[in-house]
Amino acid sequence: NAGVTQTPKFRVLKTGQSMTLLCAQDMNHEYMYWYRQDPGMGLRLIHYSVGEGTTAKGEVPDGYNVSRLKKQNFLLGLESAAPSQTSVYFCASSYLGGFYNEQFFGPGTRLTVL
Amino acid sequence: DQQVKQNSPSLSVQEGRISILNCDYTNSMFDYFLWYKKYPAEGPTFLISISSIKDKNEDGRFTVFLNKSAKHLSLHIVPSQPGDSAVYFCAPRRNNDMRFGAGTRLTVKP
Repeated sequence: NAGVTQTPKFRVLKTGQSMTLLCAQDMNHEYMYWYRQDPGMGLRLIHYSVGEGTTAKGEVPDGYNVSRLKKQNFLLGLESAAPSQTSVYFCASSYLGGFYNEQFFGPGTRLTVL
Repeated sequence: DQQVKQNSPSLSVQEGRISILNCDYTNSMFDYFLWYKKYPAEGPTFLISISSIKDKNEDGRFTVFLNKSAKHLSLHIVPSQPGDSAVYFCAPRRNNDMRFGAGTRLTVKP
C-alpha cells in the first residue's frame, strides 16, 4: 500500500497562474482533507470531503476549490494564485470522521507563488 | 484565532531522560485530543490520543495527560530516544474540526 500520495512535490507559480494539486489514497478511506502549513503555525484545514461527490469548507477555504469525483482522489485547485498561498500543502485521509478518527497524511507539496 | 497553543517552540533533552511537551487550548467543545509527530519532508503521523472523558492514556513510552479544567494537555516520553527527535503537534478536535498547534521541535541528544 502506498498510503496517501501527493502530486507534485514542489511547484513554483507566478501570481495569477492556476494549478491543481492531486491527492490519492489506496486505503479505501471515506474522508479526505486538505491542509496548509505556514511557518510558525500549525496545519489549517482548507476543505474536506466526507465521501465521493461531497466537499465542505474548512477553516481557511478562500481562494481554493476542491473536487472529489472518485473516492480515492481529492483535488485542490488554485484558480488565480497569490503570494499569500505560498505554503506547504498536506493531504490526509481517514476511514471515518468522528471519534477515534486517525488521519493519515501525505508527504506534502511545497508551493511557492512569486 | 489561536485556539491551540504550544508555547515552547523547541525542547532539548538528554537521551534516557523524560520529555514533556505541553499544549493549551481555549475551546471547551473539543472532545478528543491527538498528538502527531512529524519528521522533515514527511507528513505528520499519528502518535497517541485521548478522549475528553479520560485524564490519562498510555502507550508504551508515550503518555498523554489531560486536564480539562485547565484546558491543558501534555505528552510525556520516557525514556527519550534520539529517534524521537521530531516536531510534535497537538491537535484537539470536535467532529471534523481539528485544530493544530504550531508544534514543538524536540531534540534528543545521545
